[in-house]
Amino acid sequence: EIVLTQSPGTLSLSPGERATLSCRASQSVSSSYLAWYQQKPGQAPRLLIYGASSRATGIPDRFSGSGSGTDFTLTISRLEPEDFAVYYCQQYGSSSWTFGQGTKVEIK
Amino acid sequence: QVQLVESGGGVVQPGGSLRLSCAASGFTFSSYGMHWVRQAPGKGLEWVAFIRYDGSNKYYADSVKGRFTISRDNSKNTLYLQMNSLRAEDTAVYYCAKDSAISTFDPWGQGTLVTVSS
Repeated sequence: EIVLTQSPGTLSLSPGERATLSCRASQSVSSSYLAWYQQKPGQAPRLLIYGASSRATGIPDRFSGSGSGTDFTLTISRLEPEDFAVYYCQQYGSSSWTFGQGTKVEIK
Repeated sequence: QVQLVESGGGVVQPGGSLRLSCAASGFTFSSYGMHWVRQAPGKGLEWVAFIRYDGSNKYYADSVKGRFTISRDNSKNTLYLQMNSLRAEDTAVYYCAKDSAISTFDPWGQGTLVTVSS
């Protein structure tokens, strides 16, 4: 099973700042099968990025994804108040799906 | 629009059973694989099970294999999760989610809470 490790665990930033979230895989992941989700308190997760770098429908262009192999990054170029949330990376491989443990982006 | 509505959660004793349902609408249910994902209180997301569009293949996380069974009724646009031999560590919000062509979860239902406690 591929293990995804996200860092940092918590990111304390101010609105307008840039957020850089990391997701590292225990073995190589196909970029086609790497995704990012946002979850706000009391809500279900929402798909942000699929295929490592493609934005899902309706996702603002301040969200971008990059990376390949074992290292992937989610960048939020300028944090808006509604972006403070928990973010998860997710991969698929060999009939198994796994999530990272999450990065919380909190207001500084 | 696509809508997924879970039901069937509740409080159950350790060793007990529960069946969750997920009613789907707004898309051709019989054409898509479906997942169950859970989230323990204050914890992260854990994939639980997947079923292909026609029910021909099913996959499970090791933590639930042999105890949980995923199934679907395409005539009723409904996904199920039969949970047996429940343990305290199965306590979580259970979400159903539609699978995409590239194995992402989109969208998700609102979730249903399962509490395993004596």
